[in-house]
Amino acid sequence: QITLQESGPTLVKPTQTLTLTCTFSGFSLSTSAVGVGWIRQPPGKALEWLALIYWDDDKRYSPSLESRLTVTKDTSKNQVVLTMTNMDPVDTATYFCAHTTIPSVLLGYWGQGILVTVSS
Amino acid sequence: DIQMTQSPSSLSASIGDRVTITCRASQSVRSFLNWYQQKPGKAPKLLIFTASRLQSGVPSRFSGSGSATDFTLTISSLQPEDSATYYCQQSYTTPGTFGGGTKVEIK
Repeated sequence: QITLQESGPTLVKPTQTLTLTCTFSGFSLSTSAVGVGWIRQPPGKALEWLALIYWDDDKRYSPSLESRLTVTKDTSKNQVVLTMTNMDPVDTATYFCAHTTIPSVLLGYWGQGILVTVSS
Repeated sequence: DIQMTQSPSSLSASIGDRVTITCRASQSVRSFLNWYQQKPGKAPKLLIFTASRLQSGVPSRFSGSGSATDFTLTISSLQPEDSATYYCQQSYTTPGTFGGGTKVEIK
């Protein structure tokens, strides 16, 4: 059974760096073709794809946010960490992590999401 | 980035109606097109992957079709529990862009 859960601060100030952790079970990020993605959703708006890290440490980022995003993995802890620098109120959103596999790269299993508010 | 355009943005239909949602990609995504259902306050749930394959456990009233740039999600007989927002997503290339969503309401 695959599960994922996001954790981190729910309130950050403008200009601060956001660090979110996705802790998962039921799969290993050392297994070929497996990945974990990050997606966000501002309140009342559509889903936005942010980043993806694969078992081989291949990392992909949304071009519009690439300069602010870093994704890393800790295989021994079954965790993936997303950092986003220079947070702004427009970054207020629910942040989700999700399991994926090559070649379809579908997002088959999702965490429950964490609402992050950016406000002074 | 590949742009994904869904239509309509919302619809209202009666129980038992056939509902069709369309998704258009700005360039070919071959069959790397997925559909998700999201209910308020919940994470999205995968319904259809690679354009037409039904995810395990998803009712057979849901179906997907299309290829390249034009895709369709069909609900053959709308049920009360289908009230939700539906998103298409291309996974042909990164970023794996999503459509703007279609909100389905029950009359």
